[in-house]
Amino acid sequence: EAGVAQSPRYKIIEKRQSVAFWCNPISGHATLYWYQQILGQGPKLLIQFQNNGVVDDSQLPKDRFSAERLKGVDSTLKIQPAKLEDSAVYLCASSLRPGGETQYFGPGTRLLVL
Amino acid sequence: AQKVTQAQTEISVVEKEDVTLDCVYETRDTTYYLFWYKQPPSGELVFLIRRNSFDEQNEISGRYSWNFQKSTSSFNFTITASQVVDSAVYFCALSEVMSSGGSNYKLTFGKGTLLTVNP
Repeated sequence: EAGVAQSPRYKIIEKRQSVAFWCNPISGHATLYWYQQILGQGPKLLIQFQNNGVVDDSQLPKDRFSAERLKGVDSTLKIQPAKLEDSAVYLCASSLRPGGETQYFGPGTRLLVL
Repeated sequence: AQKVTQAQTEISVVEKEDVTLDCVYETRDTTYYLFWYKQPPSGELVFLIRRNSFDEQNEISGRYSWNFQKSTSSFNFTITASQVVDSAVYFCALSEVMSSGGSNYKLTFGKGTLLTVNP
């Protein structure tokens, strides 16, 4: 069974530029998550989708971050404009259901903002 | 207060030593889930174990074992006869129902423990 796919794996941009990340969850997984992991810290949830609806986006900086999961499968996370402090690894995860189920993570996208 | 505390920032051992990684959590819920993930240098988070709050039975999987004690809100992880390949950052995480209620849970990670196993 294929795992969670993410692209790109690495991205370097200058501050104030925009960037987008893509995620394809495990087939059949209804719940999709985006996390931000800053160096030396644990992942922090940015947004959670159940199918194509948003369940929780309370920690998403909505003035610059946006995410969508239009058809309930793939998802994109966008940052516009990027700031230096956005440098981090962006992890996508998926689970079969939302209720405390195991989340399986993708390889992540390492973003460096200069 | 942190919901998940991993007090050990870094641990260094010599191969074949046993090592225990500590995890203390905080929640008011009666139903919750605890997890351990491994993050090797490649960066991908690898799932190791999931326990629900009603199952305090300790679990062993090969060289790995977990000790869940609700009385002390701890979920510790022991690696027996450590190997160089065990070198990674290990995260403990707590999944509890969201403040908005319903059946949606939120996963909160600790800051991780960097384990280095030297040959």
